[in-house]
Amino acid sequence: ELKVEQNPLFLSMQEGKNYTIYCNYSTTSDRLYWYRQDPGKSLESLFVLLSNGAVKQEGRLMASLDTKARLSTLHITAAVHDLSATYFCAVDMGHRDDKIIFGKGTRLHILP
Amino acid sequence: DVKVTQSSRYLVKRTGEKVFLECVQDMDHENMFWYRQDPGLGLRLIYFSYDVKMKEKGDIPEGYSVSREKKERFSLILESASTNQTSMYLCASRELTGIHYEQYFGPGTRLTVT
Repeated sequence: ELKVEQNPLFLSMQEGKNYTIYCNYSTTSDRLYWYRQDPGKSLESLFVLLSNGAVKQEGRLMASLDTKARLSTLHITAAVHDLSATYFCAVDMGHRDDKIIFGKGTRLHILP
Repeated sequence: DVKVTQSSRYLVKRTGEKVFLECVQDMDHENMFWYRQDPGLGLRLIYFSYDVKMKEKGDIPEGYSVSREKKERFSLILESASTNQTSMYLCASRELTGIHYEQYFGPGTRLTVT
């Protein structure tokens, strides 16, 4: 059974600092997704990572995937208040019609 | 733009009532999903559907049923609502684009059962 674990689950940080959110998963997969959810809103797709060593960047967010370690990271550079949200990683098994399994989410609170 | 809509943003029902949550997508996606989201538990899959009239149980199907009579519509039914079903319910549809899925979420329905 595929399990997806994120840590930390809650992160409070100062503006301008760097930090990393970790996503571990339990079985082989090379399709990993990151989503953002603002309070009271739905999930919005951020990144899709499809192969070992894949790196995607948008603004102050950078996601990477290490399929051998079964680990993805979401790195925040010089955080700004607008990045306060809950971030989810999700993994699927790579077969047609498979479920996508979500982590519990990391609630990021950036203090001005 | 893909659009996934849900029939209500907020809903208040009484214990024992039958509750219907409707979800409609406009992109002809075959796969549709119902999740519930609770603080500290993330998203948990209730039911999903690969195509019309098909349904599969997710991780927490107890107390729920679904209906998919038309491709664009996926309904979640609470046969007899209970207070522990108070939650945010998210519907999603998805398509396979190349070698990965794109999953699109609706705005969510916050259900309170009193």
